[in-house]
Amino acid sequence: SQQGEEDPQALSIQEGENATMNCSYKTSINNLQWYRQNSGRGLVHLILIRSNEREKHSGRLRVTLDTSKKSSSLLITASRAADTASYFCATVPYNQGGKLIFGQGTELSVKP
Amino acid sequence: DARVTQTPRHKVTEMGQEVTMRCQPILGHNTVFWYRQTMMQGLELLAYFRNRAPLDDSGMPKDRFSAEMPDATLATLKIQPSEPRDSAVYFCASGNWTGGSEKLFFGSGTQLSVL
Repeated sequence: SQQGEEDPQALSIQEGENATMNCSYKTSINNLQWYRQNSGRGLVHLILIRSNEREKHSGRLRVTLDTSKKSSSLLITASRAADTASYFCATVPYNQGGKLIFGQGTELSVKP
Repeated sequence: DARVTQTPRHKVTEMGQEVTMRCQPILGHNTVFWYRQTMMQGLELLAYFRNRAPLDDSGMPKDRFSAEMPDATLATLKIQPSEPRDSAVYFCASGNWTGGSEKLFFGSGTQLSVL
């Protein structure tokens, strides 16, 4: 069963704009991760945020986590055409042996 | 660069045939996951192993799917007999679980078509 739900399902923006994707989940977590998938390829890890963290940055990526609302957001600033991909959040539920459960993903299209 | 290797990349087979997918995790990783990706269901967790022992295979249809790790360098996922509804991309991913945070490294997937 899916743990995370992402919003929006699809997002289309112009190069240079910011892209924000949201993820909600159902149970308590150890950490939450974001992955990227280019068409026809495997997923690539982007960033991990632990349950005791509220915000994390990596380059043009900013992730927030609100455990009281069971939600996270991924912000990509100054987007580029090369950021076009699907983005997935994945949760590691608390006390479940480290299994990683993925949401349905957000399909991001960045137009040049 | 270390990477997760999956074979075959593509497989076309007929309904009823046995399918075996193989995965070589990154050397030193102690956890291996199998996921299935379809448009309708997204990424479904099928099974995962830690130190070669199965931890959870509740996502797998037990009557036809089996997953094993014969040794630390090989994980296999078998479907017997295969059905058209098994058509999907199957991903293997490995990671190094240290009791806290673990990120996964994914293979390129096996695209399975069952006719």
